Order: sequence, then structure tokens, then C-alpha cells
Amino acid sequence: DIVMTQSPDSLAVSLGERATINCQSSQTILNGFNNKNYLAWYQQKPGQPPKLLIYWASTRESGVPDRFSGSGSGTDFTLTISSLQAEDLAVYYCQQYYDFPVTFGQGTRLEIQ
Amino acid sequence: QVQLVQSGPEVKKPGASIKISCKTSGYTFTTHYVHWVRQAPGQGLEWMGTITPSGDATNYAQWLWGRVSITRDTSTSTVHMELSSLRSEDTAVYYCARAVFSPTNAFFDHWGQGTLVIVSS
Repeated sequence: DIVMTQSPDSLAVSLGERATINCQSSQTILNGFNNKNYLAWYQQKPGQPPKLLIYWASTRESGVPDRFSGSGSGTDFTLTISSLQAEDLAVYYCQQYYDFPVTFGQGTRLEIQ
Repeated sequence: QVQLVQSGPEVKKPGASIKISCKTSGYTFTTHYVHWVRQAPGQGLEWMGTITPSGDATNYAQWLWGRVSITRDTSTSTVHMELSSLRSEDTAVYYCARAVFSPTNAFFDHWGQGTLVIVSS
């Protein structure tokens, strides 16, 4: 199985500042035929199910604010929140869907400083 | 709008079985696979398995060691997940989720609200 490792495990950022979460896969999740990275990002608030934010590593899901962006390729990926809002308090997960079974990172807890 | 509504919380004794339902609506049931993912208290997300909308094939996580069975009822657009030989480590919130892009190598655009299962003697 592909192992997904996120860093840091937790992160405290001030309102209005940039937050950056990293995700590394144990093998490439870039499909050389279509040049797509098979990576998604989710946001999970307390007591709620995960919410899809980004797929194909950088495509924002409909309705997701544009302060959320994804980048990276191959094995190293980043989720960036450009200007942190209070409602962004959550745990963030990356997920690869390049290989079966799909696997998730361990999560990064984002706190307001 | 797309909805996945799961059955309510359960408390079970070790060794028992549990069956959770996930009723879908707002889309054509046969066009998307539904997967199951679980989350132990304070932990991350673990993929468990999926079933074809036609019900003719399933895929399960190896670590479940044959304890899981996923079925579907096309007439009610509902997917069921049964987990047997429950142990305390199965205490978790269980989610169903709608797959996008590929049946098995998928990401998930809609999730059920989650079903809390507590396994305790």
C-alpha cells in the first residue's frame, strides 16, 4: 500500500496568516500518461465528516474558497491556506487514489494562534 | 442535492455483528460506487471496502480479514456494511462516501454523516 505522511502533525497559525500543510507519498502518484497527480485534500471539522477541498492535487472543488490551494507533483504535495479564517479550524487529510487501496495521511490539526 | 444518510449509533458487545445502512439520494444510484471508511476516536481515516452499484463485485481491505460484508439494495438506493466478530478496536465512526473518477481508485465528494459504533462489554 502507498503510505501517505503529512507534516506537521499540528500547526498553529494567526488569523490572516498563511498556513502550509505538507503531504508525502511513499511512491509517485503521478500518472505519466495523463500527467495527473492522484491526490485529494479533505477538511474535517469536529463532529463532521470529511469535506472534499481539492482533487488532482490542485483542482478546487466547487464552492471551496479560493484561499485554499494545492500544489506539488510526484511524491511531494502542499495544501496552502493563503489567509487563515477562524472557520478553517479543522483537521486536514491528504489521500492518494493512484493505487488500490486508497490511503490517507494521518492528518494535520490546524489551530488558531 | 446529493445526500448519504446513515443509520443511527450502536452499542455492541465483543463478538457481536453490526450492520450499518447508507441511504443515498439526489443522484442516479448506479452511476457511482459507494465506499466505507472508518475513523477510530482521535485517529485518521481507514478505507474499508466498496461494492459495485450492480452488486456483482466487492473489494475489501485486507486488514479486515474477511469480517466485513458490503451489500446494496438498488430498489432503495441503499448500501449496507456488516462487520462481524466485533472487538473493542472496532469502536469508531463509520462513514459511507460517494466515489468520483474511478470505481476503486477514487476520491470522495459526498459523505454520510457517520455512524458511531461502540464495542464494549
